[in-house]
Amino acid sequence: AQKITQTQPGMFVQEKEAVTLDCTYDTSDQSYGLFWYKQPSSGEMIFLIYQGSYDEQNATEGRYSLNFQKARKSANLVISASQLGDSAMYFCAMREANAGGTSYGKLTFGQGTILTVHP
Amino acid sequence: DSGVTQTPKHLITATGQRVTLRCSPRSGDLSVYWYQQSLDQGLQFLIHYYNGEERAKGNILERFSAQQFPDLHSELNLSSLELGDSALYFCASSVGNRLTKETQYFGPGTRLLVL
Repeated sequence: AQKITQTQPGMFVQEKEAVTLDCTYDTSDQSYGLFWYKQPSSGEMIFLIYQGSYDEQNATEGRYSLNFQKARKSANLVISASQLGDSAMYFCAMREANAGGTSYGKLTFGQGTILTVHP
Repeated sequence: DSGVTQTPKHLITATGQRVTLRCSPRSGDLSVYWYQQSLDQGLQFLIHYYNGEERAKGNILERFSAQQFPDLHSELNLSSLELGDSALYFCASSVGNRLTKETQYFGPGTRLLVL
């Protein structure tokens, strides 16, 4: 089974509007971290936001917020007031810890969602 | 700028050849991770080093090897290259290796093209 599922291959949004990018995950660990990264056409991977499995509040970082629904195993990224520069590929990723608490370290990525912001 | 540097930015080589990709982590980071991004496989974890020691291996081919040096920079060696090895190779770094909340910061990547 896919560990991270991003069901939207592409999304379009009008400038200044909000957009939600979906992410569902699968893990049997109690302790895990969820990350969102942005990859512009230039190729670099830019960290956006983090949500821990034990965090009670949804994470926010400027125009980015995370709609974390633990029971549904979803961690959707919300971008408010979209800008033209937000056009990029967005990846959801998960870092798990095993039962002993030692993290294996690796990030498991979804397939990504291409976001296009229209003027 | 994430603070992680990778060289070279682009690499074009022929099948059967060997190349070395280099990564310098952010100042203070002890962990280095290597990832491969290709169109068919997406982003795949290759290997993780912490303070000079290998900590975890992912889908890394036997033709590939890596190491982390005492100054904490890391090298990924790819040998007997095949067309399918063409990809974007990322290095990422984080402070430690035990906490799920540690953010991995990515370098700009090395784009490898095997002809």
